[in-house]
Amino acid sequence: DADVTQTPRNRITKTGKRIMLECSQTKGHDRMYWYRQDPGLGLQLIYYSFDVKDINKGEISDGYSVSRQAQAKFSLSLESAIPNQTALYFCATSASGLAGGSTDTQYFGPGTRLTVL
Amino acid sequence: GESVGLHLPTLSVQEGDNSIINCAYSNSASDYFIWYKQESGKGPQFIIDIRSNMDKRQGQRVTVLLNKTVKHLSLQIAATQPGDSAVYFCAEGLFGYALNFGKGTSLLVTP
Repeated sequence: DADVTQTPRNRITKTGKRIMLECSQTKGHDRMYWYRQDPGLGLQLIYYSFDVKDINKGEISDGYSVSRQAQAKFSLSLESAIPNQTALYFCATSASGLAGGSTDTQYFGPGTRLTVL
Repeated sequence: GESVGLHLPTLSVQEGDNSIINCAYSNSASDYFIWYKQESGKGPQFIIDIRSNMDKRQGQRVTVLLNKTVKHLSLQIAATQPGDSAVYFCAEGLFGYALNFGKGTSLLVTP
């Protein structure tokens, strides 16, 4: 979805290096998410942010950190990359659910393929 | 079919046939359910959603059925086409929380 962009699209790095993955969105959504996807597996939530001042850990946050620089930008950092962080990383956005309603649909970026050697 | 937590299954159907992809969800409190399609090399793409106060919703060639009694969700694709070949994920959600995704079902459409 062109409304959600991720950079870089591909990255190869070495163990111990610091890596930052960027996500930007033009959808005007307040909620943003980072997932990782491993071959044959579903999406695992790393971190999510419901607004600029709200950051929450997901199920696999260890080894990762995030920064919500603005409503439209949410970056994911690997402070010291390790080989088992080799995966496909997706950013997603959603709008707040209506009062009393449910979480709205998430829209995904094209993904960043990260390889840690 | 798939379950939020099981290995990735594969479904093979002939072009023109109807496809049914199943999903068992885990949280009886979930009030929102979505089906996503992911083609190779791309991010997941929204197909259709359904709220917990409904048991059926139809889109273009797709229908989602929700059975809250047995915590089961299904996606029906009518007249399956080669372009439908992809991995399909179900996700369950609860207001105020992030979605919980299943591991996906691979749909292969053969001529």
